[in-house]
Amino acid sequence: KAGVTQTPRYLIKTRGQQVTLSCSPISGHRSVSWYQQTPGQGLQFLFEYFSETQRNKGNFPGRFSGRQFSNSRSEMNVSTLELGDSALYLCASSLTGQGNQPQHFGDGTRLSIL
Amino acid sequence: GENVEQHPSTLSVQEGDSAVIKCTYSDSASNYFPWYKQELGKRPQLIIDIRSNVGEKKDQRIAVTLNKTAKHFSLHITETQPEDSAVYFCAASPGGYQKVTFGTGTKLQVIP
Repeated sequence: KAGVTQTPRYLIKTRGQQVTLSCSPISGHRSVSWYQQTPGQGLQFLFEYFSETQRNKGNFPGRFSGRQFSNSRSEMNVSTLELGDSALYLCASSLTGQGNQPQHFGDGTRLSIL
Repeated sequence: GENVEQHPSTLSVQEGDSAVIKCTYSDSASNYFPWYKQELGKRPQLIIDIRSNVGEKKDQRIAVTLNKTAKHFSLHITETQPEDSAVYFCAASPGGYQKVTFGTGTKLQVIP
């Protein structure tokens, strides 16, 4: 089985722009979670999607949004980019998103804001 | 919400020695505790996990212990090797729909 695939791997944007990141889960996995990883902060939970519905959301401003398509692929959008949004954005998939299921991570998208 | 604290933030050991990483959690409802290893420039990978109905779990050189009363769990790596050098993250989840809370990570360096 192919693993979790994230595109693009690297992005450079300027303040005020918006960006869309993509995540394709492992085949058969219906839950996709997104995390922001920064040095010293570890992995911060953004949101989780299952069957095209957002079920959980972390403590991030409304500039961070996402969606999931019928094939379980997910996108994350960040509008009005700020310097502090520079980070590695990871997505992870699991079968049904139950809390006691292992998550499988992608390689991430490294976003740099100039 | 859940809060997971992880110590130490950095750990250096000689090859062959043991390494211990400790985590505490705040939500007594948490019942699933995975550990992830992230090598430089790579994705986090699950290395071991434990559920709240189990006190200890071992897989070759790694083991995890859980103390539900103290809300404390630990990762033990024995006979460390240079390839164990990485950042290790603990995490806790209350079950239900997935909202996993991660610790801030421990950078382990194994010195040959």
